[in-house]
Amino acid sequence: EPEVTQTPSHQVTQMGQEVILRCVPISNHLYFYWYRQILGQKVEFLVSFYNNEISEKSEIFDDQFSVERPDGSNFTLKIRSTKLEDSAMYFCASSEQGNQPQHFGDGTRLSIL
Amino acid sequence: AQRVTQPEKLLSVFKGAPVELKCNYSYSGSPELFWYVQYSRQRLQLLLRHISRESIKGFTADLNKGETSFHLKKPFAQEEDSAMYYCALSYSGTYKYIFGTGTRLKVLA
Repeated sequence: EPEVTQTPSHQVTQMGQEVILRCVPISNHLYFYWYRQILGQKVEFLVSFYNNEISEKSEIFDDQFSVERPDGSNFTLKIRSTKLEDSAMYFCASSEQGNQPQHFGDGTRLSIL
Repeated sequence: AQRVTQPEKLLSVFKGAPVELKCNYSYSGSPELFWYVQYSRQRLQLLLRHISRESIKGFTADLNKGETSFHLKKPFAQEEDSAMYYCALSYSGTYKYIFGTGTRLKVLA
């Protein structure tokens, strides 16, 4: 069964540095999403992406964050000037259409030191 | 604001006992509700979607609009059901999911 893949599984970065989290959505899916889960808290929506543009974003998704689909397969989340509070598990998801169930990747654990 | 509440952080039951994982939501319109399961060291996987009205791995969930609930039930728990269960809400005008905090189910031998 096709899966969403995320790399790396764990990223450790110094505060203030930039990180790029990578995702390969399922190949025939058109909608892509990023969520995050701070330890002990709920999974929170960050952003959705369709047709090469952001379709929706949350209050969390401020100017520090950006997303990109640089080629036909990858979907990336960039976090600039990382802060301690950016430490979390980041999940990528994709769906065939917007109203179809979302398929999640294994997540990237981001640790900011 | 739209919200999903899962009141139990941890639910422990014995093998063969019935299970009910509670989920309540806040949304005045017609919601779309899901249950996702996360087994140890695995990804979030879709378990149920309310519009499908399926039974997956013996689990069922019925949307009760009057009580704004979407509780997950299974008549006889198995040890392999031990996992983290998340209830999620979506609704018209958005494709994002709003998740509850999750309930850890432990099925004891």
